[in-house]
Formats: sequence, C-alpha cells, structure tokens
Amino acid sequence: EVQLVDSGGGFVQPGGSLRLSCAASGFTFRDYWMTWVRQAPGKGLEWVANIKQDESEKHYVESGKGRFTISRDNAKNAVYLQMNSLRAEDTAVYYCARVAWEGHYFEYWGQGTLVTVSS
Amino acid sequence: DIQMTQSPSTLSASVGDRVTITCRASQSVTRWLAWYQQKPGKAPKLLISKASTLESGVPSRFSGGGSGTEFTLTISSLQPDDFATYYCQQYDSYPPLTFGGGTKVEIK
Repeated sequence: EVQLVDSGGGFVQPGGSLRLSCAASGFTFRDYWMTWVRQAPGKGLEWVANIKQDESEKHYVESGKGRFTISRDNAKNAVYLQMNSLRAEDTAVYYCARVAWEGHYFEYWGQGTLVTVSS
Repeated sequence: DIQMTQSPSTLSASVGDRVTITCRASQSVTRWLAWYQQKPGKAPKLLISKASTLESGVPSRFSGGGSGTEFTLTISSLQPDDFATYYCQQYDSYPPLTFGGGTKVEIK
C-alpha cells in the first residue's frame, strides 16, 4: 500500500525557515517524480515544486524561486522542502504527492502538514 | 502560464441528481487534464486522468470528457459521499502545473 507521511510543519515568524519532510513507503520511491502542493486556509490547491527521480530536474512555483528548495533522499525514501524567508502568504497545508508515470498529475497524497507564518 | 477556470464555484444539488462541472483552460491542454475530489480536512483524491480515464476504485457514476480547452466532470447520480470540492489540474505545460479554483458540491 502506498503511503506518504508529511511532517515538519509548525508556527514560524516572517523571515524564518522550516523544513518539511515526506516519508514514502509501499512503492519503489526512486522510480517516481515527487511533488509538493499547498493549500492556504479556505483556498484552492497550488502546486509548489517537483523533483525528478535523480534530482536532475527541479521546478518551482514563481513565488518560491530563490526561497524554496526541494530535495530527496532515495536511500531514505524521503522528499523534503526547505522553505526560507517565509512570508505570511506561505501559510498553508503542504502536501507531498507522488507524480504519475503517465504525466505530471498526482496519484497519491500525504495527509498534509500545516505551516503557519505569523508574527 | 495556463490558467484553469472552473464553473460553477458552488453547486447545490440533491441526492440522485446529475451534476456537471466545467473546467476551461486558457490555452489548449489537449487531453492532459486530471480531476480530484477533496473532502474537508482531507488530502485530495485522484478521480480521473487524461480527461476521461477513471482511476481504479472510482465509482462509474463519475465520468470525464472534453479536450483542448473545455472539459467536464459529470456525476450521473449524486450520492451522499460525493458532497465535496472538486478540482481540475492541467499537466500539458509546466512549470507551473496549475489547478482550477475548485467547485464545491453542496447539499440542496
């Protein structure tokens, strides 16, 4: 059974940093692109970043460029999102998800981890 | 960037109703479109990929259609478990991958 478990969220002041983690199990992790998607309170879904199997490609939402870094550890079956210079508008539930082989849509999702940026 | 627009934003319907949600893309995404269902406090769940391919385990009352810039998600006979918010997502061109704003299906 595919499982994705998100963690690392919390309360942080503007300008602060946070590192999110996603632990994967139930599939061959190194074979898949992985992604982060976020959802601000009461709002819709927003794609944040994705990463290729061997980390040779990484892509970011425009608002995250220069502040967010996606990475993965195929030995630990984990994907990470390092978030720096956090802003109030980064407040959201962050989900990791597995990207489908057939295209960049999202087959399986973690339960999400809440990031709150506030002074 | 490809903008995705869903309509309506809210839909009130009764159990047994046939409901249709529309998703429009600002430029053609051919058939590279997915639909998700999200319930309050839960992660989204993939329903349909490639515009009309039903995921394993998804009830057959759900169907997807369309191509190019206009797509639909239809629930043929609404069930109590279907009251949720639905999102479309294009994966034709990225970055960025983009979602529609969502359609909340409420009980009438």
